[in-house]
Amino acid sequence: GAVVSQHPSWVICKSGTSVKIECRSLDFQATTMFWYRQFPKQSLMLMATSNEGSKATYEQGVEKDKFLINHASLTLSTLTVTSAHPEDSSFYICSARAGTSGRAVNEQFFGPGTRLTVL
Amino acid sequence: LAKTTQPISMDSYEGQEVNITCSHNNIATNDYITWYQQFPSQGPRFIIQGYKTKVTNEVASLFIPADRKSSTLSLPRVSLSDTAVYYCLVASNQAGTALIFGKGTTLSVSS
Repeated sequence: GAVVSQHPSWVICKSGTSVKIECRSLDFQATTMFWYRQFPKQSLMLMATSNEGSKATYEQGVEKDKFLINHASLTLSTLTVTSAHPEDSSFYICSARAGTSGRAVNEQFFGPGTRLTVL
Repeated sequence: LAKTTQPISMDSYEGQEVNITCSHNNIATNDYITWYQQFPSQGPRFIIQGYKTKVTNEVASLFIPADRKSSTLSLPRVSLSDTAVYYCLVASNQAGTALIFGKGTTLSVSS
């Protein structure tokens, strides 16, 4: 099946610094990718929809200037957490729709996630 | 997007069949029902998808009544490794549609 990778798998940073997380579709092209955030014992929360070659669409309550999303190619989307603070510590997960590569309608493949810890 | 309701948690023993029911009263004509599984510190993984009636694959079955207002995920003969969170999602077949996750059902399988 289609594979989505994320890098890094975990990162620890100091408060005030910026962190970039990469999401790659390894064997398919994805015009649309999605970014989620998941706090411990909670469900995934959609942060934004990333469209190749255009601006991302952010969900209500998600600061677009804090969570910068760039989708420069059909296989790569990046999420940059700017001026990170401890409350940004979370598990960040991306997903991509594989088009006809999936087994189901609108099937989305999820990356393994990135654990961000801000000290 | 249709909202889904499912039990917060379920317990089972190895070898038993587990049925997790999900309610989606406001499902639209274009919506499909999809179930995902998530282990701790991993991304969700697709289990099964259906539109109506019954669907079966190598790991699960999905039962959908005619009114499509609910669905039941059936896991045959669960094992300890099936301990995970199971999410029921309803989304349209339009390209680029995001998946909105509900709270999910935490299934705990004991020996």
